[in-house]
Amino acid sequence: DVKVTQSSRYLVKRTGEKVFLECVQDMDHENMFWYRQDPGLGLRLIYFSYDVKMKEKGDIPEGYSVSREKKERFSLILESASTNQTSMYLCASVRQGSNQPQHFGDGTRLSIL
Amino acid sequence: GNSVTQMEGPVTLSEEAFLTINCTYTATGYPSLFWYVQYPGEGLQLLLKATKADDKGSNKGFEATYRKETTSFHLEKGSVQVSDSAVYFCALMNSGGYQKVTFGTGTKLQVIP
Repeated sequence: DVKVTQSSRYLVKRTGEKVFLECVQDMDHENMFWYRQDPGLGLRLIYFSYDVKMKEKGDIPEGYSVSREKKERFSLILESASTNQTSMYLCASVRQGSNQPQHFGDGTRLSIL
Repeated sequence: GNSVTQMEGPVTLSEEAFLTINCTYTATGYPSLFWYVQYPGEGLQLLLKATKADDKGSNKGFEATYRKETTSFHLEKGSVQVSDSAVYFCALMNSGGYQKVTFGTGTKLQVIP
């Protein structure tokens, strides 16, 4: 079974802090994704990566950056956290070129105070 | 661009009632279609999928048929249980590219005893 592990289930940070959210997958998937989930808005794609050191902006990249130094790990970075970034963050991965579904982690509920 | 529209929630049903959650989509080409489920406090899990027209996905008593002529993928279950209470997301993925997925906004289902 594919395992996508997000480092924290709950996180509380302060405005202006630099925040790191970590995601690791164990199935050697090439493609990895970061979403945020907000009530009434569903899941919105922040960034994705299709290879080590490669990244592409999603639909709402402003205020975020990402890092993919190793194939199994994809990090989301909030450069200077703001209260409007309080949300549930979900990481997903999938094998490139397949029509298989993305596999999701359990999510990180991030609160910015 | 791609889009997914699913019925507004929340949906409240009594145990053993019949469930339908409507989902329609707009996409180019021949996307794969998915239903994901999110139980309270958890990430998204794949519930079922269909990869071509007239395919029927099924799992745990849930079914959905890929209807290309009506661009729909409605989720149905004949007799819901309290344990089915969750948020359900309809989603599509175009073949090729980076397996980016477009999600609907989610429908919250509450089943009462």
